Amino acid sequence: DTAVSQTPKYLVTQMGNDKSIKCEQNLGHDTMYWYKQDSKKFLKIMFSYNNKELIINETVPNRFSPKSPDKAHLNLHINSLELGDSAVYFCASSQGGQGAKAFFGQGTRLTVV
Amino acid sequence: AQSVTQLGSHVSVSEGALVLLRCNYSSSVPPYLFWYVQYPNQGLQLLLKYTTGATLVKGINGFEAEFKKSETSFHLTKPSAHMSDAAEYFCAVSERDYKLSFGAGTTVTVRA
Repeated sequence: DTAVSQTPKYLVTQMGNDKSIKCEQNLGHDTMYWYKQDSKKFLKIMFSYNNKELIINETVPNRFSPKSPDKAHLNLHINSLELGDSAVYFCASSQGGQGAKAFFGQGTRLTVV
Repeated sequence: AQSVTQLGSHVSVSEGALVLLRCNYSSSVPPYLFWYVQYPNQGLQLLLKYTTGATLVKGINGFEAEFKKSETSFHLTKPSAHMSDAAEYFCAVSERDYKLSFGAGTTVTVRA
């Protein structure tokens, strides 16, 4: 069983479209995250949720809207896609506070053309 | 605010040689420090972490790291590189609950 699973793995879409990425974790963790990895492999946190509540929103454009229907799921919806949104998006989860180990999904490679 | 600097974006080592990846952090409070590894087309996997206690931390796959407060460093080492160690390595600091901040990463290549 995959601990943190994301779908789809690859996503190619045109500018202006709206798309969603889904994430599910079966680890029973309270906290879930979205990270963006750019073409230079730099990783930056976008959002973190704890017990379905938004804890961190790291100055992400409003076009990005996370939704956590329950503790095991954190989806990412992106409106009006732009070329600069092309990246790999990672979902992760953890249990506990500051020193907790994060478990990452395999990533979703989003390409906007 | 806390931040992480990884010195050297690319490290090339011979198989069997020492692997040394450098990480320095800035922090106004005691840091929680991590090393993660990313194999090609995969997510990140925790190698090891430092929270409190012993400053020499042992991780998976033969890696270890030493927390040196006086040098604000958390360098990662492995005595003998294996071909399977070729990957991207990220140092990270936990600024607060629910947030990890990553360094820019170091690509490790291993020469036969």
